[in-house]
Amino acid sequence: DAKTTQPPSMDCAEGRAANLPCNHSTISGNEYVYWYRQIHSQGPQYIIHGLKNNETNEMASLIITEDRKSSTLILPHATLRDTAVYYCIVRVASSGAGSYQLTFGKGTKLSVIP
Amino acid sequence: DVKVTQSSRYLVKRTGEKVFLECVQDMDHENMFWYRQDPGLGLRLIYFSYDVKMKEKGDIPEGYSVSREKKERFSLILESASTNQTSMYLCASSFEGFSYEQYFGPGTRLTVT
Repeated sequence: DAKTTQPPSMDCAEGRAANLPCNHSTISGNEYVYWYRQIHSQGPQYIIHGLKNNETNEMASLIITEDRKSSTLILPHATLRDTAVYYCIVRVASSGAGSYQLTFGKGTKLSVIP
Repeated sequence: DVKVTQSSRYLVKRTGEKVFLECVQDMDHENMFWYRQDPGLGLRLIYFSYDVKMKEKGDIPEGYSVSREKKERFSLILESASTNQTSMYLCASSFEGFSYEQYFGPGTRLTVT
């Protein structure tokens, strides 16, 4: 799976949009981009994933550049409860038991400031 | 809502003890996973299972075994606990297929003394 690079930490004011970048310059054509987050003392939580097109759900939006070498997770109106470590994961889209593994890096610690 | 539950939030065991960590999911997921999480190392996959009685080694299976006798339950076993197995253990489950998200339990913080 392709390696990802994320800033170690970011701050965001409450109510503002939080934009979390991820670089995955070695991504290949059959790899998806996933985002998870982990709030302190809890297990990771799935947020969103995409392949080429931008995606939006009730939690966030995912913007993937045209060359797919980077992406941005957008939390449109950050709240204090969004304070967490956010993980960007690139994962091959293939069948077979070995394809299910998620490789978590160190992520970005997002602090939402009142 | 998908629910993944783990038998204990906190556990303290002595070196050499046999330890069982239990995980149960209620969404009829085919896949189940055990990870451990350590500061500075992120999450690392220990074992996963894609069907009853089926298992595959992850990145760090040494010192661990697993059991999946029923679809909803996946157990992690430490045959002889050691201090370097002190960690946060996370269970997850997902539907069959690469594109499905994994749902995580709350974690078990195991301390081996």
